[in-house]
Amino acid sequence: EAAVTQSPRNKVAVTGGKVTLSCNQTNNHNNMYWYRQDTGHGLRLIHYSYGAGSTEKGDIPDGYKASRPSQENFSLILELATPSQTSVYFCASGDAGQSSYEQYFGPGTRLTVL
Amino acid sequence: GDQVEQSPSALSLHEGTGSALRCNFTTTMRAVQWFRKNSRGSLINLFYLASGTKENGRLKSAFDSKERYSTLHIRDAQLEDSGTYFCAADRAGGYKVVFGSGTRLLVSP
Repeated sequence: EAAVTQSPRNKVAVTGGKVTLSCNQTNNHNNMYWYRQDTGHGLRLIHYSYGAGSTEKGDIPDGYKASRPSQENFSLILELATPSQTSVYFCASGDAGQSSYEQYFGPGTRLTVL
Repeated sequence: GDQVEQSPSALSLHEGTGSALRCNFTTTMRAVQWFRKNSRGSLINLFYLASGTKENGRLKSAFDSKERYSTLHIRDAQLEDSGTYFCAADRAGGYKVVFGSGTRLLVSP
């Protein structure tokens, strides 16, 4: 069964601090994604990746960096965390097949920036 | 850009009743996915449809690419169905999906 895991599950950070959110998938999917979800909004895409070594900007990339060192791992990096980045972050993986584009989500990471 | 209009934004149901959620798309989408975000904050994958309908227990979803909409029907609602439901759709040839803003469902006794 598809498996996407995230760590940490909960994180409290201080303004100006560096935060790294990690995601691991065992689906052997090429594509991975980072979203944030805030009340009243759907999931919004921050960064995504087509495969190891690639990162692409999503719809709201400002204030975030991403790293895809391997097929399995995709990290989201907040170099200088701000309170506006308090949110729930979801990682997902998926394949860019022509006939199917289902995404599999991790359990989410709740980040609070004080 | 591509948009997904999800309605209603909030819904209250009594146990045992049912209703439908709807997502309208501003452009032709290849497929739609429905999720529930539960009280623990996890996203539960409910359905993925490229066409037609799918049913799973008390949930049924339909997707009409030509008419640009998808629905999620809930029947015999239970307390554990409470949560926020999202639809997400992807456009042929694209690598990204677009999410609706969610429907907050509260099922009460």
